[in-house]
Amino acid sequence: QKEVEQNSGPLSVPEGAIASLNCTYSDRGSQSFFWYRQYSGKSPELIMFIYSNGDKEDGRFTAQLNKASQYVSLLIRDSQPSDSATYLCAVAGGYNKLIFGAGTRLAVHP
Amino acid sequence: DGGITQSPKYLFRKEGQNVTLSCEQNLNHDAMYWYRQDPGQGLRLIYYSQIVNDFQKGDIAEGYSVSREKKESFPLTVTSAQKNPTAFYLCASSIGLTGGNQPQHFGDGTRLSIL
Repeated sequence: QKEVEQNSGPLSVPEGAIASLNCTYSDRGSQSFFWYRQYSGKSPELIMFIYSNGDKEDGRFTAQLNKASQYVSLLIRDSQPSDSATYLCAVAGGYNKLIFGAGTRLAVHP
Repeated sequence: DGGITQSPKYLFRKEGQNVTLSCEQNLNHDAMYWYRQDPGQGLRLIYYSQIVNDFQKGDIAEGYSVSREKKESFPLTVTSAQKNPTAFYLCASSIGLTGGNQPQHFGDGTRLSIL
């Protein structure tokens, strides 16, 4: 059974700080990794995806992938209260399917 | 503009009743998916379809059925055999097999409750 693990949180950070969200996965053959943000009561929205080892930056967001250690992380710089949401990590599971983690709840306080 | 439309937004099911959730996309995506999300939990895959007239069971298909007669449409029926249907149902689509492991994009969801 392929698994994706995330700390459920809540992860509480002060406004302006860096929030670091982590995700580990069990399938060593996974090639594609995705981060979604889900506000309470809403559907998930794609933030970033990463396919290669290393860092990928998009505005205040940086995705980091380490395939040897089987983890992927999301850094949010200059965190804002509007970033408060649940962040879902998803890993490609073959046949165009994604395997989702249960999500980490982030709370950014003023 | 392009997107995924789910309807209705809220749905109530009576005991013994089948209900159908609609999902339509105009993104020209080949692959479509149905997920169930329970409070405080992640997404669990119910059914998925990579191409018209073909679909496969996901991890929790029991009590559900789907059809894929058109590329744009992937309706989900929650049958009376599903004893605990109360959940948030999400439809998603992606480019499909020819595009490799592409991201999935979600509709706004349907909240189903038992009367």
